[in-house]
Amino acid sequence: QKEVEQNSGPLSVPEGAIASLNCTYSDRVSQSFFWYRQYSGKSPELIMSIYSNGDKEDGRFTAQLNKASQYVSLLIRDSQPSDSATYLCAVNSAYSSASKIIFGSGTRLSIRP
Amino acid sequence: EAGVAQSPRYKIIEKRQSVAFWCNPISGHATLYWYQQILGQGPKLLIQFQNNGVVDDSQLPKDRFSAERLKGVDSTLKIQPAKLEDSAVYLCASSLVGTSGQETQYFGPGTRLLVL
Repeated sequence: QKEVEQNSGPLSVPEGAIASLNCTYSDRVSQSFFWYRQYSGKSPELIMSIYSNGDKEDGRFTAQLNKASQYVSLLIRDSQPSDSATYLCAVNSAYSSASKIIFGSGTRLSIRP
Repeated sequence: EAGVAQSPRYKIIEKRQSVAFWCNPISGHATLYWYQQILGQGPKLLIQFQNNGVVDDSQLPKDRFSAERLKGVDSTLKIQPAKLEDSAVYLCASSLVGTSGQETQYFGPGTRLLVL
């Protein structure tokens, strides 16, 4: 079982709709959860972080965390063509005196006009 | 605030040659990471430094890869000799633990390596 799993997509969503991206993780002691956006040929860019159960909203983005189900999601409202990118889920699993950030393989999102 | 700097941005070498990548993290960031990202995959952690000490290098192919972070600032990653399957983007990242104890990671632009 992969430590961080995402559906590779591509996920195609019409412009203006809600895009829903999902991620599951295997390490129950994980404490921090991140969503990165990566445009083709570019490096990952942090868009959301979430640390406690529930929802966290930032503009058009909402991150949802359910530690009991080991599940984290990202909702993008009013999807724009500029949201077309690969979205990487990352999980911080603390161990010994340091932490380790593990990435999923990413979900490709395509917003169609 | 300057971001994470990496060089070179692109490198083409033949298999069995050597190559080195350089990373300068954001000033004050104690933790530095090197990731390998193969096309279509997520970043895979190669090595993590805390200041100038190695925290995790469990996925670093030590027979051909080496990394160092002298003085706890800049870092270099070396591949010797390179194989075809080393073709990837090598990402450097640095992180800061905030006052709340939460860590935020920032990536450099990456070095795209092609091994022929």
